[in-house]
Amino acid sequence: KQEVTQIPAALSVPEGENLVLNCSFTDSAIYNLQWFRQDPGKGLTSLLLIQSSQREQTSGRLNASLDKSSGRSTLYIAASQPGDSATYLCAVSNQAGTALIFGKGTTLSVSS
Amino acid sequence: SQTIHQWPATLVQPVGSPLSLECTVEGTSNPNLYWYRQAAGRGLQLLFYSVGIGQISSEVPQNLSASRPQDRQFILSSKKLLLSDSGFYLCAWSPGYEKLFFGSGTQLSVL
Repeated sequence: KQEVTQIPAALSVPEGENLVLNCSFTDSAIYNLQWFRQDPGKGLTSLLLIQSSQREQTSGRLNASLDKSSGRSTLYIAASQPGDSATYLCAVSNQAGTALIFGKGTTLSVSS
Repeated sequence: SQTIHQWPATLVQPVGSPLSLECTVEGTSNPNLYWYRQAAGRGLQLLFYSVGIGQISSEVPQNLSASRPQDRQFILSSKKLLLSDSGFYLCAWSPGYEKLFFGSGTQLSVL
């Protein structure tokens, strides 16, 4: 059974700092991996999707990497801003068209 | 463009009362549809998913049920709510193999 773990559960950084959020999964036979952002009391917004054949994806200040063999993904946020404060969730899909399995998320707080 | 609507945004219900949460998607056809629940201190738990009208797969045995009466409509129901049904319910859709798009969620409090 696939399990997704995110460490740390919470992270506080000053504005401008570069940071890395970690995600690990127990079954390396994934179809794809996605990173989401969730603001308090809101739905989830997809940030980046990495197919199993890809190593990384970039969008603006965000860069997500994938190492299937070790069952790990990282989300790198450059030059963090207070507006980046949110919970970031990692999710994997084991097969095409199947539902995502989520981690519990990392709650990020960026202070000005 | 595609949009997903989920309502109500908040709901307070007594124990033993029925539940009906509705989700609709616009701008696409034959989407995969999902219901997730997010309880305090826990991750997102997949409750149901559907790949077509009348096709429902349940991931977790529980007090809830789901139905898909139309291609772009997904309904989450319960005949009698339990305290443990409290949580944040999220509807989502996907074109099948790519990104998952979420609704704004329903905060359900069962008292």
